[in-house]
Amino acid sequence: GESVGLHLPTLSVQEGDNSIINCAYSNSASDYFIWYKQESGKGPQFIIDIRSNMDKRQGQRVTVLLNKTVKHLSLQIAATQPGDSAVYFCAEGRNAGNMLTFGGGTRLMVKP
Amino acid sequence: EPEVTQTPSHQVTQMGQEVILRCVPISNHLYFYWYRQILGQKVEFLVSFYNNEISEKSEIFDDQFSVERPDGSNFTLKIRSTKLEDSAMYFCASSSLGALYEQYFGPGTRLTVT
Repeated sequence: GESVGLHLPTLSVQEGDNSIINCAYSNSASDYFIWYKQESGKGPQFIIDIRSNMDKRQGQRVTVLLNKTVKHLSLQIAATQPGDSAVYFCAEGRNAGNMLTFGGGTRLMVKP
Repeated sequence: EPEVTQTPSHQVTQMGQEVILRCVPISNHLYFYWYRQILGQKVEFLVSFYNNEISEKSEIFDDQFSVERPDGSNFTLKIRSTKLEDSAMYFCASSSLGALYEQYFGPGTRLTVT
């Protein structure tokens, strides 16, 4: 599943460091925000979601922060590992439907 | 771990031909989706399907597209008369009733229209 584009923003981090991937969304009416990871040759893989009435949610090694004032979403990955290398997409959805609107993606490269 | 599967992994077809892309969603999921991703672009929603009918569709999903759940396990996307601009990765996804936004994606079918 190629998600790579010629103009994907890239974040390069050292193994063991923390990573922060950012996303700006446009629809203030969105009720859910989701982060997906896409590795080369695979489909998007669900990581974590957050409802619009929350500002932080933690998972295993990941934290999602939501700032509705500036329509900004971030994904923090603790102790980044080589297996975290992938393209990361944010997506948004509304309770009135179940379609997801995806952002453009950020490529995370982890240096050993 | 259950997963969404898709066949074929790569389909090459000539412009104007009909194609059917196949998906087997996760077995206890009730919502099914098709998305596409043109190379270098964002993942785009096409259609969602629940209870044997379309629940939502995008502007991309015009009369050339149709979906079907022909049996208890398969979910298909048909493109009636393919155009060059239909070339893309097509992803099937599914979710359960209690977690609509936890959509699990298949590996995709690369459609190449020549």
